[in-house]
Amino acid sequence: TQLLEQSPQFLSIQEGENLTVYCNSLSVFSSLQWYRQEPGEGPVLLVTVVTGGEVKKLKRLTFQFGDARKDSSLHITAAQPGDTGLYLCAATRDYKLSFGAGTTVTVRA
Amino acid sequence: DTAVSQTPKYLVTQMGNDKSIKCEQNLGHDTMYWYKQDSKKFLKIMFSYNNKELIINETVPNRFSPKSPDKAHLNLHINSLELGDSAVYFCASSQPLAHLYTDTQYFGPGTRLTVL
Repeated sequence: TQLLEQSPQFLSIQEGENLTVYCNSLSVFSSLQWYRQEPGEGPVLLVTVVTGGEVKKLKRLTFQFGDARKDSSLHITAAQPGDTGLYLCAATRDYKLSFGAGTTVTVRA
Repeated sequence: DTAVSQTPKYLVTQMGNDKSIKCEQNLGHDTMYWYKQDSKKFLKIMFSYNNKELIINETVPNRFSPKSPDKAHLNLHINSLELGDSAVYFCASSQPLAHLYTDTQYFGPGTRLTVL
């Protein structure tokens, strides 16, 4: 079993729609990260959340860390084709960064 | 002024061959990593070096041998390539933080290895 479970695995929506990606675990983390990976590129950090219940906004992206620090969500408002990519959540366990399996988001124009 | 660079971008080779992938970072970070991303996009750590010393070695076959000549470079040599080694290999670097919070990892563009 993976440390971090992401859902859904795939998401295809029309431009202008909203979407939410979830990252869940049975473990408690001191912090959790979200990365975005575009085709042919390496992952790029979007945000690090560190406090239970924390909400961070990055333009149209809203990140939330669960109160118990076991889960997180990423919400995109009015998605655009430029939001297309693989979204990965990640957390440190035993000094190693572990990634979820990722959510592939496709935003159709 | 690329932060983390890898060469080559693509590598196609026959089973049984030996190949190397090179990585360089100009961020001044102390820690470098190798990750493997499989065909299902799952990203898993293979090795981590801190100031040229190996600190993480996951259950990777010993056909894979990392080498860090200095803290800005981390190369990966693979002996006797197998079909299952086909994947995208990412180099990354980070500057470990003094507290428990997860540091930011900066990834290279990846090397797509195809073993025929």
